Order: sequence, then structure tokens, then C-alpha cells
Amino acid sequence: DADVTQTPRNRITKTGKRIMLECSQTKGHDRMYWYRQDPGLGLRLIYYSFDVKDINKGEISDGYSVSRQAQAKFSLSLESAIPNQTALYFCATSDPGFNNGYTFGSGTRLTVV
Amino acid sequence: AQRVTQPEKLLSVFKGAPVELKCNYSYSGSPELFWYVQYSRQRLQLLLRHISRESIKGFTADLNKGETSFHLKKPFAQEEDSAMYYCALKGRNTGKLIFGQGTTLQVKP
Repeated sequence: DADVTQTPRNRITKTGKRIMLECSQTKGHDRMYWYRQDPGLGLRLIYYSFDVKDINKGEISDGYSVSRQAQAKFSLSLESAIPNQTALYFCATSDPGFNNGYTFGSGTRLTVV
Repeated sequence: AQRVTQPEKLLSVFKGAPVELKCNYSYSGSPELFWYVQYSRQRLQLLLRHISRESIKGFTADLNKGETSFHLKKPFAQEEDSAMYYCALKGRNTGKLIFGQGTTLQVKP
């Protein structure tokens, strides 16, 4: 089983619709992150959470919200989807150690039409 | 401000040729630098971190604080090295990973 599971894998939605992307992890890590990947722009941080009671905005949080339902679950919501939110979305988790890397999920490919 | 720059969008080499993927960073302090790799249709995987001074799949990267660079090198490229490579920086105070724009490495037979 994957350490970090994202659902759905692919989604097509219409402009204006609300959509939720889900992420769960079995690593037992406190820290979780949501990134979006766009060609030529790399990965940009949307939101991150260092524990269940801690939620922080990343560099591109406008138009997004998150919910940390448990240590293992971190959901990303698009309240009213727009076409420029079409992207590949990645969830990741990490230990707090400075030298630790991140473990990523397989990604959710979202298309807003 | 933290910033990671990968100046090449695409690097195309022939099998057996040396490879150098460039990464420059901006950070006022002591960062931790990483290289991640994303093979086609797969998730991002940690390739190596500067603190470990390791060689993974023949790749190495040396942190040059004077030039604020962390270039990824491999002496002889293989076709299976074809992938997207991301350089990333973690600041000691923030704990967040900041990624560069990514470089696609294409190794031709």
C-alpha cells in the first residue's frame, strides 16, 4: 500500500463547482502539504499543516481551503473552481527533522472546464 | 526570500554523455538542499540530499555556498535517467520545501 494516498486520481469538473481532493497517509507524520504542479512553474505550495491544529497558507492559497480532519488526513477544497486551477495536485508528508525529505502522493489531475 | 532557480527547462543528451542539471538558490542562512525526480506518470521521489553527501543511481550533487549552487551531476547518462528533476530548498526556520521550476532530462539512445 502507498504511504500517501490521494483521491481521486483524475477529475473533470465545471467552472463554479465545489470540489474536494483528499489525502491520507500511513507514515504517522504530523506535517502535511498541498502543492500544485504546472508546466514551467514547478511545484508551488498551496497550504501546509504542521499538526492537526495548525493550518498555514502557502504561496498560492487564494481560491483554496483545507481541512485537517486527523493526523492522517488533509483535504484540499476548491470552493468555486475556475479554469486556471486546472493542474496536477500533490499531497506530501514529512517528519519535522530539518534534514528529512518529503513523501509524495501520486497526484490528482484536475481539469476545470 | 527563499528562491530556487533551475535555468534549463529541457536538457537533452545522448546515452553515455555527462549530465549536469543546474540549480541555484537564494537563502539568507544555512539551507538544506534536495533533488527530487519524477519519472513519467509516477510520483515525485527523493533522489538525494546534500547533507548525506551520497551518490544515488550514479548522481551526485555538491553544495557550493559561495556560488549558492547545488548542481546535479552524472558522468554517464542512461536512458532510464529520462525524467523531470526538481531542485528544492528547505529553510531551517520555515521547514517548508520550496521547489525550482524543474528540468526535463531527455537521454537519447
